[in-house]
Amino acid sequence: GENVEQHPSTLSVQEGDSAVIKCTYSDSASNYFPWYKQELGKRPQLIIDIRSNVGEKKDQRIAVTLNKTAKHFSLHITETQPEDSAVYFCAAGNNFGNEKLTFGTGTRLTIIP
Amino acid sequence: SAVISQKPSRDICQRGTSLTIQCQVDSQVTMMFWYRQQPGQSLTLIATANQGSEATYESGFVIDKFPISRPNLTFSTLTVSNMSPEDSSIYLCSVGTGTPYEQYFGPGTRLTVT
Repeated sequence: GENVEQHPSTLSVQEGDSAVIKCTYSDSASNYFPWYKQELGKRPQLIIDIRSNVGEKKDQRIAVTLNKTAKHFSLHITETQPEDSAVYFCAAGNNFGNEKLTFGTGTRLTIIP
Repeated sequence: SAVISQKPSRDICQRGTSLTIQCQVDSQVTMMFWYRQQPGQSLTLIATANQGSEATYESGFVIDKFPISRPNLTFSTLTVSNMSPEDSSIYLCSVGTGTPYEQYFGPGTRLTVT
């Protein structure tokens, strides 16, 4: 089955700086890579996703890149703000067949004011 | 997106009892999933709830412990049976929907077993 590794497990950055979280996956059949943000006591919230037919996707201050050859994808947050503090999860799956997702272990991001 | 609700939001149960968690979606969806999230941990898929057929369980999860119903395209239940303190966790339902496909989570049910 799919295996997703996520690094780092914790990340602290100064407000205004950029944050990068990296994930690798094992199953070459995976073609859908969402990122979720989970604030304390809340549900995971889908913030951005990328599919295997593109290499990069941006939405305001967040961007995701995908390297299918190397089987890794990354989340980039620019101009970080205190409200970006949360746990971020990457996931991998496919939107053909059973569509289940395998999640990474999470990154606790802390923005230092 | 989809509006997903879960009941109950939290519960405290005695060991040996069972709890049924309900998940309701505001639109018809093909794929519904049940996850467990233990404190400070990632999300672990319990099973995929298939409408009109048996749920598909992941390794380490069995139907006798986590029976699932999926009577229609907007509703599912997960039962945690014969509970022990190790079952204390957050249980989340998730739905897959849309074109392009995306997955969304319900608010979760926080279960404490004493």
